[in-house]
Amino acid sequence: DQQVKQNSPSLSVQEGRISILNCDYTNSMFDYFLWYKKYPAEGPTFLISISSIKDKNEDGRFTVFLNKSAKHLSLHIVPSQPGDSAVYFCAANTGSYQLTFGKGTKLSVIP
Amino acid sequence: DSGVTQTPKHLITATGQRVTLRCSPRSGDLSVYWYQQSLDQGLQFLIQYYNGEERAKGNILERFSAQQFPDLHSELNLSSLELGDSALYFCASSATGANEAFFGQGTRLTVV
Repeated sequence: DQQVKQNSPSLSVQEGRISILNCDYTNSMFDYFLWYKKYPAEGPTFLISISSIKDKNEDGRFTVFLNKSAKHLSLHIVPSQPGDSAVYFCAANTGSYQLTFGKGTKLSVIP
Repeated sequence: DSGVTQTPKHLITATGQRVTLRCSPRSGDLSVYWYQQSLDQGLQFLIQYYNGEERAKGNILERFSAQQFPDLHSELNLSSLELGDSALYFCASSATGANEAFFGQGTRLTVV
């Protein structure tokens, strides 16, 4: 049973446009959500997070939106840059000691 | 550089064998987490240690075990290896909770 789902395995976007990566979850106990970015041959690196008491968090070009009623979150990257090309993982936490990850979405930003 | 060091980076071994993966956490981090990423899968939490003690267990097989030593480095032992154990194994460390964990580069294990 996959509690965190990223239904799009891949996404291609033109440089300068908006990238929108989506994530759905099923566990109502999740209270903290994170996005990680992963380049080939490297470990995941933390990108941005949001608490369940908020519906938006912004950090530079990256914004995460949380819709609790729909159990959905999204990551917006504006404007997209070629260096943003990577695999993006959505993760969630219930306040315990483990993160539950989605399968990832591979973003390709085309120059 | 996350400050978390994993060795070896690559490992090829035969079915039925046993291997040990090593992780050195960031300086000062007391928590170590192990994750497994199989082909086209997300990272699956295996186990967490805090200051030498096991704190949480996830989907870790009985053939797998881990420990954290007094110098805080950790080892993940995988035994009676099967083809399906081929995966990337990540170690992460944190000073506080799982939300602030930093990941190593991973060890790619290939079982042939």
